[in-house]
Amino acid sequence: GDSVTQMEGPVTLSEEAFLTINCTYTATGYPSLFWYVQYPGEGLQLLLKATKADDKGSNKGFEATYRKETTSFHLEKGSVQVSDSAVYFCALSDQLGGSEKLVFGKGMKLTVNP
Amino acid sequence: EAGVTQSPTHLIKTRGQQVTLRCSPISGHTSVYWYQQALGLGLQFLLWYDEGEERNRGNFPPRFSGRQFPNYSSELNVNALELEDSALYLCASRNRDKNIQYFGAGTRLSVL
Repeated sequence: GDSVTQMEGPVTLSEEAFLTINCTYTATGYPSLFWYVQYPGEGLQLLLKATKADDKGSNKGFEATYRKETTSFHLEKGSVQVSDSAVYFCALSDQLGGSEKLVFGKGMKLTVNP
Repeated sequence: EAGVTQSPTHLIKTRGQQVTLRCSPISGHTSVYWYQQALGLGLQFLLWYDEGEERNRGNFPPRFSGRQFPNYSSELNVNALELEDSALYLCASRNRDKNIQYFGAGTRLSVL
């Protein structure tokens, strides 16, 4: 079945540092790819998405590009802030049976220190 | 526009009991998904409801069940609770046109 592998961390960075979270996937077909973020005590919020090869999703300074040739969707941000401290999940939509259910990576906890 | 709402926010139950969790989707969304976020296991797909029918389920035993009502709200029922059912249960509704799932804040279930 479809699967997602991502860096698990935890990772601690200083404010204004560069962030990369690696994510690779295995899928049949052409899934949409997502990054979700979970702040402490909350549910998941969509950070960005991409629906086809070479699409770039971006939001709040975060970016990720759908790379079909390397089956990757790495998340980057040039300068992190304390408010970016959260758990980040890479996910794909599994199209088997039309369900579009999300298959998640294990999540990576990021802590940003001032 | 209201987001996905879930109730209750927290629950404490004992082994063997039964529990019902509730979810109201975003207005206009007809698909509802349930996920379990258990410590150490990550986010696992539980159930998918669309237009009032169960369309797909994840690798969970039959004691996990649910339903979707005509107004597209949904319930998740868990019978014969076990300690390992302790988790955050997340509900999401899907915008079909954009293929985006929007999540509620979850129900945290503790089984003692």
